[in-house]
Amino acid sequence: EAGVAQSPRYKIIEKRQSVAFWCNPISGHATLYWYQQILGQGPKLLIQFQNNGVVDDSQLPKDRFSAERLKGVDSTLKIQPAKLEDSAVYLCASSYPDRGGTEAFFGQGTRLTVV
Amino acid sequence: AQKITQTQPGMFVQEKEAVTLDCTYDTSDPSYGLFWYKQPSSGEMIFLIYQGSYDQQNATEGRYSLNFQKARKSANLVISASQLGDSAMYFCAMREGDNAGNMLTFGGGTRLMVKP
Repeated sequence: EAGVAQSPRYKIIEKRQSVAFWCNPISGHATLYWYQQILGQGPKLLIQFQNNGVVDDSQLPKDRFSAERLKGVDSTLKIQPAKLEDSAVYLCASSYPDRGGTEAFFGQGTRLTVV
Repeated sequence: AQKITQTQPGMFVQEKEAVTLDCTYDTSDPSYGLFWYKQPSSGEMIFLIYQGSYDQQNATEGRYSLNFQKARKSANLVISASQLGDSAMYFCAMREGDNAGNMLTFGGGTRLMVKP
């Protein structure tokens, strides 16, 4: 079974530029999450999708962050314009919600550096 | 209030010895799940072990076991016979409610360093 795929692995941009990250979850996983992990901290949920609908985006800075999952499969997360404090690893995860207790599977993340 | 607290920023353990990583949680939901993940320097989050709030027995997976003390709201991870490859960040996480698609809330992590 293929894992969660993310690209790019690394990205360096200047502040005020825009950037987009891509995630392809495990096949059949209806739930998709984007987490932000600042260096030295645990991951923090930005947005959660169930199929192509948003379940929770309460911690997404909507003035600059946006995310979509148009066909209920892969997803993109965009930052526009980026700030220095957006430097972090952006982790995508997916899970199969119909099985109780199932864990979320994570991709390798995209490490963003804003300079 | 923090939902997941990991009080040990860093831990050292001698190779082949056992180590306990602490985790306490806070929830008023009677149904919840507790997870431990390992994050090596390469960055991926690797699932280790799961404990459901209604599970009567402590979870075990190979060298990993979860010391679940419900009344104390603690879910400590025990790694037996530590190996050099166990050096990594370890995160405790909680899912509240019955829906297995609910979000995971993570603690701040513990960096484990295994000494040869």
